[in-house]
Amino acid sequence: QVQLQQSGAELAKPGSSVKISCKASGYTFTSYYISWIKQTTGQGLEYIGYINTGSGGTNYNEKFKGKATLTVDKSSSTAFMQLSSLTPDDSAVYYCARGAAIRAYWGQGTLVTVSS
Amino acid sequence: DVVLTQTPPTLSATIGQSVSISCRSSQSLLHSNGNTYLNWLLQRPGQPPQLLIYLVSRLESGVPNRFSGSGSGTDFTLKISGVEAEDLGVYYCVQSTHAPHTFGAGTKLELK
Repeated sequence: QVQLQQSGAELAKPGSSVKISCKASGYTFTSYYISWIKQTTGQGLEYIGYINTGSGGTNYNEKFKGKATLTVDKSSSTAFMQLSSLTPDDSAVYYCARGAAIRAYWGQGTLVTVSS
Repeated sequence: DVVLTQTPPTLSATIGQSVSISCRSSQSLLHSNGNTYLNWLLQRPGQPPQLLIYLVSRLESGVPNRFSGSGSGTDFTLKISGVEAEDLGVYYCVQSTHAPHTFGAGTKLELK
């Protein structure tokens, strides 16, 4: 069965970076893009971007350019999202999902808390 | 960015009642390729979102057929024909026609 297993919760200091992973199983990794979505209580769900898992090509929401960097490791069927120059506004649950336009499978979410 | 306006924000229903949620878009969601990328998600408490409906009206595999989607252009509706306890949670519409993809603010379905 299709599964997306995300890495565990992160507690980070302002100004630092974190790298979240999303390990896919149960399907051919390079056959589907991986999307990333941010969820906060105040802003709801926000689309960050997606990555072509075959070519590594990316598409970002302008709002997250410079904040998020999407990469993949095909050898381990894992997608990554690095968040840089963290501020308290980056505190959120981050989800990976399979697909760019129709996201049928989601990871369980990774809680990122930014606090000094 | 495309704004998706969902109404109502909260919906109280009894088990067995039929309910509808509206999602109105600030722009037509008809893509130049002929598809309309409007999907519906359900997020139960403590869970990630789950895809219910894609391309306006196509039922995702494994989703009960009491869920149905309809609409075109800028006006879309999700209907639940006979609410069950497991349907409680927050419903979101999401569009993937225009960049950046955007989500509605959600409709919380609760028991009356």
